[in-house]
Amino acid sequence: TQLLEQSPQFLSIQEGENLTVYCNSSSVFSSLQWYRQEPGEGPVLLVTVVTGGEVKKLKRLTFQFGDARKDSSLHITAAQPGDTGLYLCAPDQGGKLIFGQGTELSVKP
Amino acid sequence: NAGVTQTPKFRVLKTGQSMTLLCAQDMNHEYMYWYRQDPGMGLRLIHYSVGEGTTAKGEVPDGYNVSRLKKQNFLLGLESAAPSQTSVYFCASSSSLYTGELFFGEGSRLTVL
Repeated sequence: TQLLEQSPQFLSIQEGENLTVYCNSSSVFSSLQWYRQEPGEGPVLLVTVVTGGEVKKLKRLTFQFGDARKDSSLHITAAQPGDTGLYLCAPDQGGKLIFGQGTELSVKP
Repeated sequence: NAGVTQTPKFRVLKTGQSMTLLCAQDMNHEYMYWYRQDPGMGLRLIHYSVGEGTTAKGEVPDGYNVSRLKKQNFLLGLESAAPSQTSVYFCASSSSLYTGELFFGEGSRLTVL
């Protein structure tokens, strides 16, 4: 059974701060997706990473896929209140998409 | 753009009652999924479908049944609701199995008393 862990589970910061959230597993992923879920809504895809060591940027968000494809990170620069939400990683292991428990981010103005 | 629509949005049941959640998608996607989301547990896959007339079990299928009679609809049924099934249920669809982008509905909050 794959162990998938996201950290931290909760994060509360002030507007303008930087932060990084992590997604780690004991298994190798063929690809990994990051989703953001706002309160009362369904998750929405932010990015898919496929290649070990890959870095993708989406405005102030930077996603990195570990060289060994067992972990990923999401870095947000100068966080804004609109970044508030639940960030979910979803690695694909052998064609099956498994969701982490998420990092709940609160950005206060 | 409707995307994925779930009905109802909220429902309260008594233990032992039955109900059906309806999911409809207008993107002509082959693949559809039902997840449940509980605090600290992430999203767990209940059942999924790879096409009209097909269904398959996910991680937590017990106590649920599904049907995909039409390509655009995926129904989730609870035959005899239990308090442990209190959760927020999400339907999703995609154009490819698992590895493609999942498009989610807004969720259905179910409380079983």
